[in-house]
Amino acid sequence: DAGITQSPRHKVTETGTPVTLRCHQTENHRYMYWYRQDPGHGLRLIHYSYGVKDTDKGEVSDGYSVSRSKTEDFLLTLESATSSQTSVYFCAISGTGFPNEQFFGPGTRLTVL
Amino acid sequence: DQQVKQNSPSLSVQEGRISILNCDYTNSMFDYFLWYKKYPAEGPTFLISISSIKDKNEDGRFTVFLNKSAKHLSLHIVPSQPGDSAVYFCAARSMAGTALIFGKGTTLSVSS
Repeated sequence: DAGITQSPRHKVTETGTPVTLRCHQTENHRYMYWYRQDPGHGLRLIHYSYGVKDTDKGEVSDGYSVSRSKTEDFLLTLESATSSQTSVYFCAISGTGFPNEQFFGPGTRLTVL
Repeated sequence: DQQVKQNSPSLSVQEGRISILNCDYTNSMFDYFLWYKKYPAEGPTFLISISSIKDKNEDGRFTVFLNKSAKHLSLHIVPSQPGDSAVYFCAARSMAGTALIFGKGTTLSVSS
């Protein structure tokens, strides 16, 4: 299994509070991704990173920001959490080989009350 | 507009029979397709993939077929086993990027 961990695994927070989710990898992969999974929507890309300090937006980036100061860590921040951001968040990584499958972490279940 | 569609939310199959999961796509720029399997409370795990230059790829009990003219791919599982019960996601990648676009998933239930 790819070395990907996510923390926390579960979090309950209140509307309006900032939340940061962490993804940590031990594979030294270049690419890292944040997805959210919701019933009826499958997995949707929030943001991704193609290197340290290099990030780009995905399909559902509004309300989220990311940072990557080290190869192994990719942080997802909800600046002011809303109930619509209640979801399961998955981090994924991939290498530079072509084609490059993505490997997923175990997920973080976030509930915004 | 959904670019990757899995129109069947669920599929029930008996153990030992064939499971066929379908996926349609709309973007002709997609050059690589993947299937992921997901158990409850776990992250998706990569199952099998196919490049757009091929029409079939096999890996043990799993075979993926690609019909480019119809913009359709399917995953065949033969024989199906109870441990195959999971949500299956179809995903596609365009040549221009590295991000994957996922379908909504199909829940497969294999009964013994």
